[in-house]
Amino acid sequence: QVQLVESGGGMVQPGRSLRLSCAASGFTFSNYAMHWVRQTPGKGLEWVALISYDGTNKYYADSVKGRFTISRDNSKNTLYVQMDSLRAEDTAVYYCARVVMRGVNFMDVWGKGTTVTVSS
Amino acid sequence: DIVMTQSPDSLAVSLGERATINCKSSQSVLYSSNNKNYLAWYQQKPGQPPKLLIYWASTRESGVPDRFSGSGSGTDFTLTISSLQAEDVAVYYCQQYYTIPVTFGPGTKVDIK
Repeated sequence: QVQLVESGGGMVQPGRSLRLSCAASGFTFSNYAMHWVRQTPGKGLEWVALISYDGTNKYYADSVKGRFTISRDNSKNTLYVQMDSLRAEDTAVYYCARVVMRGVNFMDVWGKGTTVTVSS
Repeated sequence: DIVMTQSPDSLAVSLGERATINCKSSQSVLYSSNNKNYLAWYQQKPGQPPKLLIYWASTRESGVPDRFSGSGSGTDFTLTISSLQAEDVAVYYCQQYYTIPVTFGPGTKVDIK
């Protein structure tokens, strides 16, 4: 079945880096754009980044621009986000989510999420 | 950025009764070239990721019960649960996908009265 599984979360000190992965299965990953979305404890949903199906176009929220890098490896059916210069406010559950079709950026499939805690 | 607001913040409804959630966007999300509203609704239960319920403001995702319906256009939208069931207890979010950054409303918590 269609599935997204995030990994790579954990506890990290402010200023350090972390890379999250999202393994896709059950669909042709290379045909779909992908999002990262985060949710802070007890709070709502915040969009983080979007990458096109082929990786050529990338978009970022202002809150992470210059610090986070979204990428993908279509040969491995895997989405990534490299998170540098982490701050306490980056503490959240990070979800990867599939874009339903090109240019229509709502999310029809979500992973279960991976938790990132930034604390000294 | 398009700012999404929702009302109420929370509501409690008796089983079998109607629940209505409102969502407002700071600018129109109606794309004139195709006459579609770029507005989706998600349901999130505790400990779970969001689940897509409605897209194009009123199209139910496959498998979503027909007690869920979406309406509205332009800047004002509504999610209605026609007959609340116990399994509908959740937080509901609207999202605009008219432009990047996509943005979500703050959520509305629905509980049983």
